[in-house]
Amino acid sequence: TQLLEQSPQFLSIQEGENLTVYCNSSSVFSSLQWYRQEPGEGPVLLVTVVTGGEVKKLKRLTFQFGDARKDSSLHITAAQPGDTGLYLCAGVGGFKTIFGAGTRLFVKA
Amino acid sequence: DAGITQSPRYKITETGRQVTLMCHQTWSHSYMFWYRQDLGHGLRLIYYSAAADITDKGEVPDGYVVSRSKTENFPLTLESATRSQTSVYFCASSESFRGRETQYFGPGTRLLVL
Repeated sequence: TQLLEQSPQFLSIQEGENLTVYCNSSSVFSSLQWYRQEPGEGPVLLVTVVTGGEVKKLKRLTFQFGDARKDSSLHITAAQPGDTGLYLCAGVGGFKTIFGAGTRLFVKA
Repeated sequence: DAGITQSPRYKITETGRQVTLMCHQTWSHSYMFWYRQDLGHGLRLIYYSAAADITDKGEVPDGYVVSRSKTENFPLTLESATRSQTSVYFCASSESFRGRETQYFGPGTRLLVL
């Protein structure tokens, strides 16, 4: 069974701090996606990384796919209260998408 | 309205009852998915469909039935609800499934089985 482990499960930080969320697996994926979910809503795709070692930036968010395509990280610079939410990583392989349990981020003003 | 909608948004039912959750998308996406989201487990795939009249099991299909007679609709039925099926259910759709496509999620249905 493919598993994606996310860490930390919960993170509470002050506005302006930096943070990194990790997503790890023993399986190789064709691509790795990051979603953000707000309370009462469905997840919304932030980014898809496809190539081993790939780095993508989305404003203050930096996403990296591991060289072996088994792991990924999400780094947020100068977090803002609007970044609060549940961040989910998802590994795509074959006709399956495997989701991690998520990292719940709370940014205090 | 355009997009992907789910109904009902909230449902309370009793053990043993049949419940159907509805999902409708207006994009004519080929692929549709049903997930359940539980604390500590993330999203787990129940069933998916590649096109009308084509469905397949996901990770946790037991106790659920799906159908897809029209491209835009993908209802999920709990034949005899159990307490373990208390969860938040999300429907999603995507244009194709080659590994890079965006899955668009509905707002979810919160189901409580008493």
